[in-house]
Amino acid sequence: GDSVTQMEGPVTLSEEAFLTINCTYTATGYPSLFWYVQYPGEGLQLLLKATKADDKGSNKGFEATYRKETTSFHLEKGSVQVSDSAVYFCALSDRGGSEKLVFGKGTKLTVNP
Amino acid sequence: EAQVTQNPRYLITVTGKKLTVTCSQNMNHEYMSWYRQDPGLGLRQIYYSMNVEVTDKGDVPEGYKVSRKEKRNFPLILESPSPNQTSLYFCASSLTGGPDTQYFGPGTRLTVL
Repeated sequence: GDSVTQMEGPVTLSEEAFLTINCTYTATGYPSLFWYVQYPGEGLQLLLKATKADDKGSNKGFEATYRKETTSFHLEKGSVQVSDSAVYFCALSDRGGSEKLVFGKGTKLTVNP
Repeated sequence: EAQVTQNPRYLITVTGKKLTVTCSQNMNHEYMSWYRQDPGLGLRQIYYSMNVEVTDKGDVPEGYKVSRKEKRNFPLILESPSPNQTSLYFCASSLTGGPDTQYFGPGTRLTVL
């Protein structure tokens, strides 16, 4: 079945550092890809998405490009802030009937001042 | 304000005592879904509903029931909770599922003793 693999955490960075969180996927067909963010004590919020190959999703300084050739959707940000500390989930949409999101295990990011 | 609400937010109960976690959305979404989040496992889908009176199993449905009698509500029922159902539960909704953005509730932290 479909699956998402994202880099193990936790990731600890200093403020203004460059962030990359790797995400690769396995899917039949052409899924849509998502990054969700979960701040402490809160539910998940959509951070960005891409629905077809070579699309770039972006929001709040974060970017990710849908790479079909490498089945990847890596999350990047040029300069992280303390407020970016959260857990980040890569996900794909399963178009096989349940239309569910298939999630990676999550990567916890801590940004220190 | 567009939102997904869940109640209760926190619940501690004992093995075998039936409970219901409610979920309601005010966006007229057709698709609703329940996930559970466990450390190291990410989020896994329990049940989903494509519309009123249309529900189906997700990846981990054992021990759970759902119903969809109204479009806005999608309660999760644990007829006889067990300790392995201790988890963080999220309800989500979207217009049609799939690539549509899913909106998540704030979560319900359930502990079964």
